[in-house]
Amino acid sequence: GAVVSQHPSRVICKSGTSVKIECRSLDFQATTMFWYRQFPKQSLMLMATSNEGSKATYEQGVEKDKFLINHASLTLSTLTVTSAHPEDSSFYICSARDAPSGPQETQYFGPGTRLLVL
Amino acid sequence: GQNIDQPTEMTATEGAIVQINCTYQTSGFNGLFWYQQHAGEAPTFLSYNVLDGLEEKGRFSSFLSRSKGYSYLLLKELQMKDSASYLCAVRDHGDSWGKLQFGAGTQVVVTP
Repeated sequence: GAVVSQHPSRVICKSGTSVKIECRSLDFQATTMFWYRQFPKQSLMLMATSNEGSKATYEQGVEKDKFLINHASLTLSTLTVTSAHPEDSSFYICSARDAPSGPQETQYFGPGTRLLVL
Repeated sequence: GQNIDQPTEMTATEGAIVQINCTYQTSGFNGLFWYQQHAGEAPTFLSYNVLDGLEEKGRFSSFLSRSKGYSYLLLKELQMKDSASYLCAVRDHGDSWGKLQFGAGTQVVVTP
């Protein structure tokens, strides 16, 4: 159980274009999903918290107009990188909570999307 | 906010034991997680501690001391496939969404 998928797994795009990444919880409902970015040899940096049916909450320093997040249903959240530039090239990972916030709540991660902007 | 520290890299021999330490300084605390991440892949959940003490799960054990702001992950009977980055993550007590803050990760290299 607790499987999270991401699509696409890898994408190459030209500078200035937009890229959409999907995150799905396959066997559970996720009211909250998280989006992270990870640069080579660095840890995961939380970008935003995505709540179903409401606006995402962005971490300090993350541009909400550049990284558009939509949590349309209990099993799907999307991240759109708008007007991508080479410095946006990174490994984008989503995670989903498998239960309401509580001591036993655990986050499960998707397989990640590697974005390369040329 | 959180300040989470763990060593950058550790090397150990196949069959040996390795202990990865993690210290944290937080305004609140609501659980500490350990994840394993192989290169180019997403992290996978290993363990969770919210109370003081040792949690054992097969070859992996995790320990927590809240008063010391300290945790360790113990890997026994190391196998080559255990070569990976190990991430320590802390959840803030005041965060109702369950946000995690991650350490930089410890790269474990297992040699034959």
